[in-house]
Amino acid sequence: EVQLVESGGGLVQPGGSLRVSCAASGFTFSSHWMSWVRQAPGKGLEWVANIKEDGSEKYYVDSVKGRFTISRDNAKKSLYLQMNSLRAEDTAVYYCARIRSGYSAFDFGGQGTLVTVSA
Amino acid sequence: QSVLTQPPSVSEAPRQRVTISCSGSNSNIGNNAVNWYQQLPGKAPKLLIYYDDLLPSGVSDRFSGSKSGTSASLAISGLQSEDEADYYCAAWDDSLNGVLFGGGTKLTVL
Repeated sequence: EVQLVESGGGLVQPGGSLRVSCAASGFTFSSHWMSWVRQAPGKGLEWVANIKEDGSEKYYVDSVKGRFTISRDNAKKSLYLQMNSLRAEDTAVYYCARIRSGYSAFDFGGQGTLVTVSA
Repeated sequence: QSVLTQPPSVSEAPRQRVTISCSGSNSNIGNNAVNWYQQLPGKAPKLLIYYDDLLPSGVSDRFSGSKSGTSASLAISGLQSEDEADYYCAAWDDSLNGVLFGGGTKLTVL
């Protein structure tokens, strides 16, 4: 069973930085692309970023390019999202997801971590 | 504004069948697989259908997916009250080089 535990969310001021993490278990972490997906309060799902198995390829939604960095540590079975220059519109629950191999589908396994950007 | 278009809401009576549509374009649905997610109130999303019409292990066969051209559909038969949830379609977009989600459809079981 895919288990993903997100952590690191909290309240941050506009322009500030935050790093959220995701601890993975129940599958071979190093064999899967991974992703971050977010959901603003009362809104729909929004894909944020993808990272290849070995970290050599990364993709981002336009609204976070240049501000957010996705990374991973396969030895620690962990995924990260470093968020800089945060804006109010980045306020959301951030979910970590495993990408099902060959299918580009997300397997969610955690409850997410809430990031609130407010003065 | 989502490039994948879903109806904001649908409703149907218990034991009936409902379909949720997802309309896109050649750069997303027309050229890539469609996945569907269910999000129960207050819960994390869950993969419901992948690669257009495949069911993950453990998902009821009351759920089914289909795709034709640049549109896809999710069908739910034998509606139950526990199916009340938000449903999202998603697909990779070749032009954006990223994943697109539909705006979501809220299902109400009357």
